[in-house]
Amino acid sequence: EVQLVESGGVVAQPGGSLRISCAASGFNFDDYAMHWVRQTPGRGLEWVSFITWDSVSISYADSVKGRFTVSRDNGRKSVFLQMNNLKDEDTALYYCTRGSQLGDVQYFQQWGQGTLVTVSS
Amino acid sequence: FLLTQPHSVSESPGKTVTISCTRTSGNIASNYVQWYQQRPGSSPTPVLFEDRRRPSGVPDRFSGSVDSTSNSASLTISGLQTEDEADYYCQSFDSDNWVFGGGTRLTVL
Repeated sequence: EVQLVESGGVVAQPGGSLRISCAASGFNFDDYAMHWVRQTPGRGLEWVSFITWDSVSISYADSVKGRFTVSRDNGRKSVFLQMNNLKDEDTALYYCTRGSQLGDVQYFQQWGQGTLVTVSS
Repeated sequence: FLLTQPHSVSESPGKTVTISCTRTSGNIASNYVQWYQQRPGSSPTPVLFEDRRRPSGVPDRFSGSVDSTSNSASLTISGLQTEDEADYYCQSFDSDNWVFGGGTRLTVL
């Protein structure tokens, strides 16, 4: 069974930093790209970042570019999102999602339960 | 670009409902469209990918299409069941950017 378990969501101050993690199991982690997607009641679902299986290709939404950094550790079957210079609008439920294999159309095949990040003073 | 969906739709059990997803700029057919179902309190799950393909386990009551004339994609659910009541999101891609529609709340009453 595919499992994606996010952790690390907390209350953080504006301008602060936070690192959230996602532990994967139940599939060959090395074969898949990974994404972070966030959700808020007001703005719905928003794609945040993408990383290929080998970390060679990485993309970010304009709203987080220059502030967030995605990384992965295939040996630990984990993906991370380092979030710096946090803003109020970063408050959201952050989902770790499994993308597609190399050569396939990228979409969000599997989703974790999410970790809640709240930015507030 | 944006993907525009109706805010809500409702239909009776056993009936058929169609949810639209209109791309505001660029050609809808230039990138595949996916659809996700999110039941209350749960994470989204894909119900269609590559416009019309169903992931394993999704019943064939779910179908998809793309119409270049209206520059929109559609999700059609036939034989509605109460368990289909959920939020549905369309999603597509362009230039290293994955975009979601605003979501449509389906009420089965």
